[in-house]
Amino acid sequence: GAVVSQHPSRVICKSGTSVKIECRSLDFQATTMFWYRQFPKQSLMLMATSNEGSKATYEQGVEKDKFLINHASLTLSTLTVTSAHPEDSSFYICSAFSGGDKNIQYFGAGTRLSVL
Amino acid sequence: GENVEQHPSTLSVQEGDSAVIKCTYSDSASNYFPWYKQELGKRPQLIIDIRSNVGEKKDQRIAVTLNKTAKHFSLHITETQPEDSAVYFCAANGNTGNQFYFGTGTSLTVIP
Repeated sequence: GAVVSQHPSRVICKSGTSVKIECRSLDFQATTMFWYRQFPKQSLMLMATSNEGSKATYEQGVEKDKFLINHASLTLSTLTVTSAHPEDSSFYICSAFSGGDKNIQYFGAGTRLSVL
Repeated sequence: GENVEQHPSTLSVQEGDSAVIKCTYSDSASNYFPWYKQELGKRPQLIIDIRSNVGEKKDQRIAVTLNKTAKHFSLHITETQPEDSAVYFCAANGNTGNQFYFGTGTSLTVIP
């Protein structure tokens, strides 16, 4: 299957700092990527849909100024958690549609964010 | 939007037995239903999917059934093995066709 790379896998930061997470499709072009948040032992919650060349679409309740998304190219989307606080600590996962089949989403390995 | 419910939340079976996980969805426009397996701290992996134009799909020990009228679909794992232990998520694509709405997950434990 298609490969989606997510970096970093783990980040620990102080409260008030900003953290950038990258999501790359390595062997295909992804016009659409998705960002999810997952709390321990819970499901994947869609945060936003990232579209190449346009503004991201945020789900209800997700602060767009808090979670900045930039989809600058067909292979890269970034999520920046601005002024992170302890309650932002979570597992963040991105996904992208493969080129061969529009409906199949391939996931990145996730980023464990811990805000002290 | 789409609402996906998944049951049970936890499931323990003896090695060799079968496991069944059930999901329901609310949006009749959903036409694609994937199942993902997620091991602790790792990415979700697609294990099987089904589209609304078929009622059943099988891949070795894994099968999925879909009842469009009742808006429910199920994952069946036969001859379970300890390595099947993981959290399984169902999903539906809703009326947008692109977004996935996930169920709450089922933690499956296969007891050797």
